[in-house]
Amino acid sequence: DTAVSQTPKYLVTQMGNDKSIKCEQNLGHDTMYWYKQDSKKFLKIMFSYNNKELIINETVPNRFSPKSPDKAHLNLHINSLELGDSAVYFCASSQEGMTGRAGGPTDTQYFGPGTRLTVL
Amino acid sequence: AQKITQTQPGMFVQEKEAVTLDCTYDTSDPSYGLFWYKQPSSGEMIFLIYQGSYDQQNATEGRYSLNFQKARKSANLVISASQLGDSAMYFCAMREGRGTDKLIFGTGTRLQVFP
Repeated sequence: DTAVSQTPKYLVTQMGNDKSIKCEQNLGHDTMYWYKQDSKKFLKIMFSYNNKELIINETVPNRFSPKSPDKAHLNLHINSLELGDSAVYFCASSQEGMTGRAGGPTDTQYFGPGTRLTVL
Repeated sequence: AQKITQTQPGMFVQEKEAVTLDCTYDTSDPSYGLFWYKQPSSGEMIFLIYQGSYDQQNATEGRYSLNFQKARKSANLVISASQLGDSAMYFCAMREGRGTDKLIFGTGTRLQVFP
């Protein structure tokens, strides 16, 4: 039944390691996103994909690489983890993509439960 | 300049009372969408309500309503008959129609409902 799911929910790792977070949506949406929520609860877009094509890359370091094997999945791989990468990472999806006019209900983005990443 | 401003870092309300959470936005685009999300202490982001820039009427979803004042660029969330379970962080967000999908979030308001 879960609409947008992420694994793992918690990730604790050492600095310098490489890790991945997986996201899947069963809503049939065309667009998926990664957001980062910092320790002050501020949410910021990192990436968006529309039908497996990268649309937004919001000045995220090259160590972060999203991969979309199909439109229902968007994974986030992080190389050489740093202390500052500690945050909650949210995956989201929406029906409308870049081709749509903003201001329609299909813009609504549905979020996964989040992955709390702690880098030691 | 901040695109989305939530000026209330924290709000308190008594159970069964109504509360208004403020949100102002800044855009020159005529086409945009405004959203409110709730984040309880468990951490998930829950979509509450949506308002499109061309919508003539204020959006309502159960106990949530959006007081949309386009000329003032404000989109305040009104929660009627507050419940203890409404205690959470509330985020206002906007999507602009400039060929981008991203949501721009405000800094959030922490609402605490007391008995």
